[in-house]
Parts: sequence; C-alpha cells; structure tokens
Amino acid sequence: RKEVEQDPGPFNVPEGATVAFNCTYSNSASQSFFWYRQDCRKEPKLLMSVYSSGNEDGRFTAQLNRASQYISLLIRDSKLSDSATYLCVVNHAGKSTFGDGTTLTVKP
Amino acid sequence: EAGVAQSPRYKIIEKRQSVAFWCNPISGHATLYWYQQILGQGPKLLIQFQNNGVVDDSQLPKDRFSAERLKGVDSTLKIQPAKLEDSAVYLCASSSQDTYEQYFGPGTRLTVT
Repeated sequence: RKEVEQDPGPFNVPEGATVAFNCTYSNSASQSFFWYRQDCRKEPKLLMSVYSSGNEDGRFTAQLNRASQYISLLIRDSKLSDSATYLCVVNHAGKSTFGDGTTLTVKP
Repeated sequence: EAGVAQSPRYKIIEKRQSVAFWCNPISGHATLYWYQQILGQGPKLLIQFQNNGVVDDSQLPKDRFSAERLKGVDSTLKIQPAKLEDSAVYLCASSSQDTYEQYFGPGTRLTVT
C-alpha cells in the first residue's frame, strides 16, 4: 500500500461546478499536510496548508480527518484556470511524501 | 524575493554518460530537497539537506547518484553513469527551518537516450 494515495482522475467538470478530491495516508502519526497545484510541464506550487480545524482560502477549502486518515480539497465555482494536477503532501518527522496527483479539467 | 533557481533547464545525454544539476535555494532557507518526478507520478524525494548536513537520503540510488550542499547554500546533484530509467524531471525545493512549506524551482528535464 502506498503511503499517500490519490484518485488519479481525471475529473472533468463544467465551469461553475463544485469538485472535491480526497487523499488518504497510511501513517497515523503524520503531522503536517499540504495541497500543491502542478500545471502541465511546470513545477508544483503550494496551494494551501491543511490545518486540523480545516481552512478556507477563497474558493478552496481543505479539511483533515485524522480518524479516517484522509485530507480533502474542495473547489467551489470552478474556473477554467483551475485545470491542473493537484498533489497532496503528507509530512511525518520532517519527511514529506507526495501523492501521484489528481488531474482536474474544467470545461466551458 | 527571488525563487529557487535551477540549471540547466533541459539536458539530453546518452546512457552511461554523467550529468550534473545545480540548485540555488531561496535566500535564508535552511532545508533543501532534490526530487525526481517521472511522468504521471508525484515527486519522489531523493535527498534532503538541513543546512549542509544530510537529513534523509534513503531513496537516493547511491551507486550512481550523489549530491552535496557546500556551505549550506547551493547544491549539486550528479548522476554517473546515467541509465535510461533516469529520464525524468529533477526538481529542487527549499523551505525555511520552521515550516515544511516547500517552494520549487522550475526543474531540469533529463532525457537519457
């Protein structure tokens, strides 16, 4: 079993839709969690950290469920520019492990 | 604030040749990471430095890969000899000492023929 697992998708949604991705992790002692965005042939860019209480940044909401060992990312009112691969990252004892990403395509 | 710099951006070599990549992290960032990203996969950590000491190199193929971070700033990653399966994007990232929020450079796209 991989340490960090994501549904690869692709998720194809119309503009304005709400879409959610989950990411499960195997190490219950994991401490820090992040979502990154990666555009085609570009480097990953930090989208947001995931806090225990959940956090929101504009149209993006991140949640952490320690009991079930997953984090989620919710995107509301999808824009064409949201099309990208979304990578989750789980950190334990200073070591970060990336998932393989979920691909989102937002269509007009 | 300048971001993470990497060079070269692209490199094509034949198998069994050697290659080196260079990274300059964000000023003041103590932690530097080298990742290998194969198409369709997430980045895989090769080596992590804290200042000029190695924190984690458990996934670095040490028979052919080496890395150093002299003076705790710039870093180089070397592959010698290269294999076909080393074709990938090599990403450098850095973070400050009190956070694991990583900032990536543009990467080096390596093709081994």
